[in-house]
Amino acid sequence: EAQVTQNPRYLITVTGKKLTVTCSQNMNHEYMSWYRQDPGLGLRQIYYSMNVEVTDKGDVPEGYKVSRKEKRNFPLILESPSPNQTSLYFCASSLGTENTEAFFGQGTRLTVV
Amino acid sequence: AQSVAQPEDQVNVAEGNPLTVKCTYSVSGNPYLFWYVQYPNRGLQFLLKYITGDNLVKGSYGFEAEFNKSQTSFHLKKPSALVSDSALYFCAVRDWYGFQKLVFGTGTRLLVSP
Repeated sequence: EAQVTQNPRYLITVTGKKLTVTCSQNMNHEYMSWYRQDPGLGLRQIYYSMNVEVTDKGDVPEGYKVSRKEKRNFPLILESPSPNQTSLYFCASSLGTENTEAFFGQGTRLTVV
Repeated sequence: AQSVAQPEDQVNVAEGNPLTVKCTYSVSGNPYLFWYVQYPNRGLQFLLKYITGDNLVKGSYGFEAEFNKSQTSFHLKKPSALVSDSALYFCAVRDWYGFQKLVFGTGTRLLVSP
């Protein structure tokens, strides 16, 4: 089954404690990205990757890091989480063309206290 | 910059009635438009897209959307709503410059009552 898998689904952590949210896709997609969803703001892109070892900032990259060492994996790293990063995070993947839809993971609900 | 607007935070409709969820867009160049649905505790699921061609696009679960270039709108419709259609709906447009980025609207919650 074609899918994007994120882990964990739920995470509560404390300010400053580094964490990683994993994302993996099994569709051989070149393009992967991370979004955060906040009430009243919709989804905003954090980082994206056009292919292995190619990453770039989205609209809200501050406080986040990513890596793309393998085509299928695109982890999101919060080196020093802060309460304003409490949000619902989605990983997405798609083929590298502008007319194709994106496939989304189930989401990770992160709470930073 | 590309943008989409969903003017209604919530739409209420009775089961069996037609539904419309509104979306307007602002783009430079040709618009690539998408609708996604988010059920509780689930990720976003693709419903349909407009790339080119017919202005009426048919998608999953009986949904369709009407592209109107003169009104810069891409409204989501369904002839007969189901209670199970209750969810959060997002309109999105492909960003022309960061061409793989989706720019989302703020979402519209659809509530279908029995």
